[in-house]
Amino acid sequence: DTAVSQTPKYLVTQMGNDKSFKCEQNLGHDTMYWYKQDSKKFLKIMFSYNNKELIINETVPNRFSPKSPDKAHLNLHINSLELGDSAVYFCASSQAPTRGRSSQPQHFGDGTRLSIL
Amino acid sequence: DAKTTQPTSMDCAEGRAANLPCNHSTISGNEYVYWYRQIHSQGPQYIIHGLKNNETNEMASLIITEDRKSSTLILPHATLRDTAVYYCIVRASGADGLTFGKGTHLIIQP
Repeated sequence: DTAVSQTPKYLVTQMGNDKSFKCEQNLGHDTMYWYKQDSKKFLKIMFSYNNKELIINETVPNRFSPKSPDKAHLNLHINSLELGDSAVYFCASSQAPTRGRSSQPQHFGDGTRLSIL
Repeated sequence: DAKTTQPTSMDCAEGRAANLPCNHSTISGNEYVYWYRQIHSQGPQYIIHGLKNNETNEMASLIITEDRKSSTLILPHATLRDTAVYYCIVRASGADGLTFGKGTHLIIQP
């Protein structure tokens, strides 16, 4: 009954390849996120997305693109992988704020560990 | 989002209360204080959050000063499994992502 599940857990691939990560949440949340944690352990937001709006961190290269087939899934596709893309990628979800419930915590998956050779 | 300042690391004896401080002197009136932790090789885990009042849940207590410029996360009876990096984050409500700093590496000693 994992709340936010990510696949694969590990991925080793070569520079230049295209790869996709999957994320699914069963919490009924309507907002999902992708974060990147680099080798220095800094966690940075890449995207936040609900069915109305995609917010992109301006530092994210356009080789990265989120794709949401439905409200429970937000996949991440990466084109032309580079060495610097090696990191742990975390997916998260939350309920969008509403009147009377204005602050909603985010729930994270356990990450996809990407290594580029 | 306002910036936060936390000690880089702290030690606490198992069974004692762990008190983790956070300074957020530039916090705005509509910004909440959130605490998350990250245990090695896992995703960040939500602990607690608050606006003005002190909060308590099954995991921890959050004490926010009256001027809201600092807060303390209290783990009442620390166990070895509480060893983790603890992040204090301030943000307004919304669907934007969280801004994580360096956090405090809490080490629970047996």
